[in-house]
Amino acid sequence: AQSVTQPDARVTVSEGASLQLRCKYSYSGTPYLFWYVQYPRQGLQLLLKYYSGDPVVQGVNGFEAEFSKSNSSFHLRKASVHWSDSAVYFCVLSIRNSGGSNYKLTFGKGTLLTVTP
Amino acid sequence: NSKVIQTPRYLVKGQGQKAKMRCIPEKGHPVVFWYQQNKNNEFKFLINFQNQEVLQQIDMTEKRFSAECPSNSPCSLEIQSSEAGDSALYLCASSLRVDSDYTFGSGTRLLVI
Repeated sequence: AQSVTQPDARVTVSEGASLQLRCKYSYSGTPYLFWYVQYPRQGLQLLLKYYSGDPVVQGVNGFEAEFSKSNSSFHLRKASVHWSDSAVYFCVLSIRNSGGSNYKLTFGKGTLLTVTP
Repeated sequence: NSKVIQTPRYLVKGQGQKAKMRCIPEKGHPVVFWYQQNKNNEFKFLINFQNQEVLQQIDMTEKRFSAECPSNSPCSLEIQSSEAGDSALYLCASSLRVDSDYTFGSGTRLLVI
């Protein structure tokens, strides 16, 4: 069965420092991968997505992620974080349901990012 | 501001009561999903639609949960008899296709007391 693992439940970084949030997935086929962010008392907002092609994808607000098929990873990076980046970040895998035309989302447990002054 | 509008933001119900929440998908999005997010950040798929037709739903949904997405009206998710374990954030998401990214609403936070 497919799965998404975000090994770091909490990450704390100083404002202006670089950031990497880790995501590992388990799926034998070709995955569609997303990073979403959830601010307090809000829904999920899409940061970036990977379908195919260039393994480094650019997203909103200076975020980027790199897909690695060999490592089954899709890590999120940002060169310089801002206090407003404090939120929960979810790595999400989308795969086709077996035998059907429907797709299923598998969510990681999320990483709570705290940016300190 | 989300392009998927969910109402109400908060819902408080007693056990056994009905709980109903609504969702207006992003304009032009024929695919609508409902997810339940619990306090441990576990997401549970409930049901999805494409052009008002149900594509898939889980067993739990079939028993106490009902949902519809009529044309020209908001989509809705209703719990017939609320249980304490239903307390969660209910997220509606819409998409152009089942295999593309989703736009999520801000959610309806249900508390069953």
